[in-house]
Amino acid sequence: AQKVTQAQTEISVVEKEDVTLDCVYETRDTTYYLFWYKQPPSGELVFLIRRNSFDEQNEISGRYSWNFQKSTSSFNFTITASQVVDSAVYFCALSEANSGNTPLVFGKGTRLSVIA
Amino acid sequence: GAGVSQSPSNKVTEKGKDVELRCDPISGHTALYWYRQSLGQGLEFLIYFQGNSAPDKSGLPSDRFSAERTGGSVSTLTIQRTQQEDSAVYLCASSMGLAGLGEQFFGPGTRLTVL
Repeated sequence: AQKVTQAQTEISVVEKEDVTLDCVYETRDTTYYLFWYKQPPSGELVFLIRRNSFDEQNEISGRYSWNFQKSTSSFNFTITASQVVDSAVYFCALSEANSGNTPLVFGKGTRLSVIA
Repeated sequence: GAGVSQSPSNKVTEKGKDVELRCDPISGHTALYWYRQSLGQGLEFLIYFQGNSAPDKSGLPSDRFSAERTGGSVSTLTIQRTQQEDSAVYLCASSMGLAGLGEQFFGPGTRLTVL
């Protein structure tokens, strides 16, 4: 069975600090997809990134970066120089093959609070 | 373009009543998903529609829950004889299905409160 664990329930940082959100997953599939979504206070889930299991290259997008390590089944998310607008609940999710168009298995989320 | 829309945004009902929640996916998206977000349970998959295939109902928590998708577009999630534990935010998402990249676009959700 697939499972996603986000051990950090809540994190609080001061603005401009870097913060890493951890995600560990379990799957028996050799081909799978990993996602990060952001849920701001407004409630709507916003897609951040999709990564397939064959691509272990780290990715950077502005202040966001993702570290995918198959050896440890982890897909961690780092926000550099955090801002108050980054305050949200962040979800890591997993789906099996078939181009990732199967239901997502979500972690329980990490609530990030960035304090000015 | 228009995103995924859901209605109503909020629904308060009495225990034992039936409710219908509606989802309008992004035009052209062949895959549609229903999830439930409740305190302590996180986001749980409920049901998945892909094109004309039989839906994947494996996430439905009981036979009081059902969903249909008419004409490959709008979907309705029905909860019969609602219970207090059904209180949650019900999220709908759509994606381009097998032809797409897997990104699911989520609607704003319907907050259901069962008194």
